[in-house]
Amino acid sequence: EAGVAQSPRYKIIEKRQSVAFWCNPISGHATLYWYQQILGQGPKLLIQFQNNGVVDDSQLPKDRFSAERLKGVDSTLKIQPAKLEDSAVYLCASSLEGKSKNIQYFGAGTRLSVL
Amino acid sequence: SQQGEEDPQALSIQEGENATMNCSYKTSINNLQWYRQNSGRGLVHLILIRSNEREKHSGRLRVTLDTSKKSSSLLITASRAADTASYFCATDAESGGSNYKLTFGKGTLLTVNP
Repeated sequence: EAGVAQSPRYKIIEKRQSVAFWCNPISGHATLYWYQQILGQGPKLLIQFQNNGVVDDSQLPKDRFSAERLKGVDSTLKIQPAKLEDSAVYLCASSLEGKSKNIQYFGAGTRLSVL
Repeated sequence: SQQGEEDPQALSIQEGENATMNCSYKTSINNLQWYRQNSGRGLVHLILIRSNEREKHSGRLRVTLDTSKKSSSLLITASRAADTASYFCATDAESGGSNYKLTFGKGTLLTVNP
């Protein structure tokens, strides 16, 4: 079974530029998550999708971050414009459903450096 | 906000020794999960313990849960160099409808020296 795929693995941009990350979840997984992990901290949930609908985006900085999951499969996360404090690893995860007992499967992440 | 807080922040042991990591949380939960993250990689699920369970085992892993103290511990027995990683506890919370989300702690960095 293929795991969660993310690209690119690394991205370096200057502040005020735009960047986009892509995620392909495990086949059949209805729930998809985007996390931000700052160095030395645990992952922080940015947005949760159930199929192609948003379940929770309470911690997404909506003035600069956007995400979509067209057709309920792949997802993209965009930052526009980027700030220095956006430097972090962006992790995508998926689970069969969004139930409490469900295990999340993570991709390797995209490491973003904003200069 | 971070729900779970792991303790210690960092732990260094010799191969063959046992490693114990603790997690405290603030609000009531349905389940608590532990994940491992190797350097530069994504998180990998280790074990899930339900709120009505007190102890669970999986191979060299032993997890305990004390809901009265809102705390959990992860014990890794007979550690190996390959166990070197960061370990996170994660608690669940409702996110919308019948969906749940996980809130992760800051993690414990475990180093197992050969």
